Amino acid sequence: DAMVIQNPRYQVTQFGKPVTLSCSQTLNHNVMYWYQQKSSQAPKLLFHYYDKDFNNEADTPDNFQSRRPNTSFCFLDIRSPGLGDAAMYLCATSRGGIDQPQHFGDGTRLSIL
Amino acid sequence: SQQGEEDPQALSIQEGENATMNCSYKTSINNLQWYRQNSGRGLVHLILIRSNEREKHSGRLRVTLDTSKKSSSLLITASRAADTASYFCATDEGSARQLTFGSGTQLTVLP
Repeated sequence: DAMVIQNPRYQVTQFGKPVTLSCSQTLNHNVMYWYQQKSSQAPKLLFHYYDKDFNNEADTPDNFQSRRPNTSFCFLDIRSPGLGDAAMYLCATSRGGIDQPQHFGDGTRLSIL
Repeated sequence: SQQGEEDPQALSIQEGENATMNCSYKTSINNLQWYRQNSGRGLVHLILIRSNEREKHSGRLRVTLDTSKKSSSLLITASRAADTASYFCATDEGSARQLTFGSGTQLTVLP
């Protein structure tokens, strides 16, 4: 089945140690999103790619970077994780346009020691 | 900025009852979407309603949109224990190519 896959499901890292989260999709969607979701809160958009066009949200910390080497894969890099970065990170895709549904992966839960 | 606000924050009902969740937003929209999130999982798209539509149905789901009141409601009829989840509304912000999610309603359906 076509889907959005996030690896790993759980990631533990140390304070200040860089970490990379990955997302892959078999839907061939041109838009990919990264969201941060803290406990009992709404998902918060960090950035998205419209094809290769990178769009960063104004309040996304510089500590967060993203790469999209091809249509299928997208990575979230956190350069120096702080305790406040502990959260669920959700990847989503859509077939372009704000009037299209987004398809989410099951997320990576990041813990910071 | 958060666009949609859900009400109530939490709702607990018995299996078989109907569940109604409301979403209010502040500015004009082109469309509004509802998503479900089971605990520890990603969001699942339920339904999209456009600003020129007033009501939409999908199985046991009914969504209404009142643009004059800037509000939407999601009705789940004949609820089941498997409907236990958080429900989020999400709106576009006009020219922005993104969705902004509300704070969600935690629905618990008791068997």
